[in-house]
Amino acid sequence: EPEVTQTPSHQVTQMGQEVILRCVPISNHLYFYWYRQILGQKVEFLVSFYNNEISEKSEIFDDQFSVERPDGSNFTLKIRSTKLEDSAMYFCASSKNSGQETQYFGPGTRLLVL
Amino acid sequence: AQSVTQLGSHVSVSEGALVLLRCNYSSSVPPYLFWYVQYPNQGLQLLLKYTSAATLVKGINGFEAEFKKSETSFHLTKPSAHMSDAAEYFCAVSVNTDKLIFGTGTRLQVFP
Repeated sequence: EPEVTQTPSHQVTQMGQEVILRCVPISNHLYFYWYRQILGQKVEFLVSFYNNEISEKSEIFDDQFSVERPDGSNFTLKIRSTKLEDSAMYFCASSKNSGQETQYFGPGTRLLVL
Repeated sequence: AQSVTQLGSHVSVSEGALVLLRCNYSSSVPPYLFWYVQYPNQGLQLLLKYTSAATLVKGINGFEAEFKKSETSFHLTKPSAHMSDAAEYFCAVSVNTDKLIFGTGTRLQVFP
């Protein structure tokens, strides 16, 4: 069964450093998402992406964040200058269509900012 | 604005007992509602979803949920718990948008 994959599974970085989290969505999906879950808190929406454009973003997704689909398979989340409060589990998801369509989640990347 | 409230951050049941995980939503327009499960060190897996068809929705692993508009609820049930059901369960809502708004989650423990 096709699945969303994410790399790395864990990342430790120093405050102020740039990190890139990578995701390979399911191959025939057209909509891509990033969510994050700070330890002990709820899963929060960050951004949705369709047709090489951001379609929606949350207030969390400020200028320090960017997303890109650099080729036909990868979908990346970049944090330019990490802060301590960026420490969280980051989930990538993809779906065939929008709205009621099921979003399939990857296993997550655990980011720790020291 | 849409929101989801999950009552009970932890629920414990005995193996074979009824599982009931509560979810209430807030939305001014008809919502789509979802239940996801997260097993340890894994991503979120869809259990079931309500998309304005039948109000009683059956999902994987014997779970089901009933959409009750009058109560703004979408509680998750399973008649007989199994040890393998131990996980974190998240209710989520989406309304006229792609983004899922999640509840805070309920950790289900199953005792032998």
